[in-house]
Amino acid sequence: DVKVTQSSRYLVKRTGEKVFLECVQDMDHENMFWYRQDPGLGLRLIYFSYDVKMKEKGDIPEGYSVSREKKERFSLILESASTNQTSMYLCASRELADSYEQYFGPGTRLTVT
Amino acid sequence: AQRVTQPEKLLSVFKGAPVELKCNYSYSGSPELFWYVQYSRQRLQLLLRHISRESIKGFTADLNKGETSFHLKKPFAQEEDSAMYYCALRRSSGSRLTFGEGTQLTVNP
Repeated sequence: DVKVTQSSRYLVKRTGEKVFLECVQDMDHENMFWYRQDPGLGLRLIYFSYDVKMKEKGDIPEGYSVSREKKERFSLILESASTNQTSMYLCASRELADSYEQYFGPGTRLTVT
Repeated sequence: AQRVTQPEKLLSVFKGAPVELKCNYSYSGSPELFWYVQYSRQRLQLLLRHISRESIKGFTADLNKGETSFHLKKPFAQEEDSAMYYCALRRSSGSRLTFGEGTQLTVNP
């Protein structure tokens, strides 16, 4: 059974803080993804990674960066958090590039005050 | 660029009634289409994909290339079907998913 875990379910940060969101998967999946989930906007892709140390920008990368030093871990970094980054953040993994299913984590609800 | 549109943000039906969640896409090639579902306090998970052409939990979806649609249907809705549903598209094997805005389905008793 695939398990994707995220470091926090709820997080409250102040404007200007540096924020780290961690995601770990235990199934040796090659691909990992970070999304924002906002009402009325659906899921929007922030960044994704096809393999260790590889990253590609998604649709809304501004204000974010990522790190993938190990295959199982994919970190999302908000260099200087802003209130418009208040959102639900979902991490997902996929076994291979041509696999059809993505497995999602439980999400992190980030509030920036 | 590809785009997925779910015109209904909220959909409410009564138990036993038919339900159809609409999904339209724009992409000039031959995409793969999926439906993902998120039940209350659960993770987002794959419900079905058009290639498999199977029924999952009583739901079916047919890809209509002429109308560029992939509507999700169930003849008799159940209360446990209440959830957020997302339609998603990928251009080809190996590419990323593009999601729609989502439809919150509520099935009333």
